[in-house]
Parts: sequence; C-alpha cells; structure tokens
Amino acid sequence: DVVMTQTPLSLPVSLGDQASISCRSSQSLVESNGNTHLHWYLQKPGQLPQLLLYKVSNRFSGVPDRFSGSGSETDFILKISRVESEDLGVYYCLQSTHLPYTFGAGTKLELK
Amino acid sequence: EVQLVESGGGLVQPGRSLKLSCAASGFTFSNYGMAWVRQTPTKGLEWVASISTGGGNTYYRDSVKGRFTISRDNAKNTQYLQMDSLRSEDTATYYCARHRYYFDYWGQGVMVTVSS
Repeated sequence: DVVMTQTPLSLPVSLGDQASISCRSSQSLVESNGNTHLHWYLQKPGQLPQLLLYKVSNRFSGVPDRFSGSGSETDFILKISRVESEDLGVYYCLQSTHLPYTFGAGTKLELK
Repeated sequence: EVQLVESGGGLVQPGRSLKLSCAASGFTFSNYGMAWVRQTPTKGLEWVASISTGGGNTYYRDSVKGRFTISRDNAKNTQYLQMDSLRSEDTATYYCARHRYYFDYWGQGVMVTVSS
C-alpha cells in the first residue's frame, strides 16, 4: 500500500498566519497519463471531511483562494495564506492513483 | 444540492452481518462512481470499497475482500454495503461518498459497532 506521511501532526497558528502542511507518498502518484491524484480534505470538529483541493492544486467549489496546493511525484504541500478561525480542524491528504486508496494520518491545525 | 444519507448502522456481534444503505439525491446518480470510507480514532480514514457507475466494477481494500460487498441500484439512487463476518476491527463510522478520482461529497456517516 502507498503510505502517506503528513507533517507536522500538529500545527499551532495564530489567526492571520500562513500555514503549510506537507504530505509525502511512498511511491510516485503520477499516472501513466500524467495525472496526479493527490487531494486535500479538512475535517472540522464534529463534522464530516470536506474536499478542499483535488489533483494537487485545483480548488473545489466554494473553497477560498487562500488555500493553495503544489507538488509533484511524491512531495506535496497545502498552504493557507492567512489562517481564519473557520480553517481550524484536521487536514488529510488522500492518494487515489494506486489501489488501495490511502489517506495521511492528519495534521491538526489549532490556535496557539 | 447533493445529499447522501446513510442508514443501517448499529451494534452487532462479531461474525454477524449488517447492511448499510446510502440514499443519494441532487445529482444524476447513475453518472457517478460511489464509495464507502470509514473512520476510527486509531486508524483514521480508510477507503473501504468503490463501485463504478453501472455497478460492473467493484474494488475493495484487502481487509474486507470476501466479507464486504458493495452494490448499487440506479433506479433507486441508492448504494449499499453488505458487511458479513464482521470483526471488532470493523468498528467505525462509515461514510458514503461520491467517487470521481476523489471523494467530493460525503454523507454524515453511520456508526457500526462490532462487539459481543
């Protein structure tokens, strides 16, 4: 199985800070057709996971442009330009290039 | 508005069966793959199974292969997860999700507890 390693596990921030979360895969996530199936989710406390970014850098419907994604092959980054209170929660990366699809363990974004 | 509503969860003894349902609305159900994803505090999020638009292709994680069966009824806009020979490690919140290459919409989840 492809192992998805997220760092850090916990990220204390102040509102207005920039935040970066890393996700590293144990194998390349590039498909033979060139697509890279790496996606990011946010799970707010007591809620279901919500899709933020798909295929590395594409924002899902309604996602603010302060969220951005980058990376290739095995190394990916989610950036939040200015953290707002509604951004707090646990962030997960997901790879769907290889079966079984696998998630990272999560990064908790919390207030300092 | 896309809505996915799971049902069928509950407490079940090890070795017994349970069938989850997921009723979909707000989109053309037959045009989308569907999936089940589960979550526990210890293992986090785990993809369980996926099914193609017409139901002809199904995919499972190894730990549930041969025990779980994903299916769908496009006439009823509903997908199912038949879970047999349940084990304590299947205890989780099970989410129904619409599956493209990613899971874009999720249901609220249903709790499954396997315990004697």
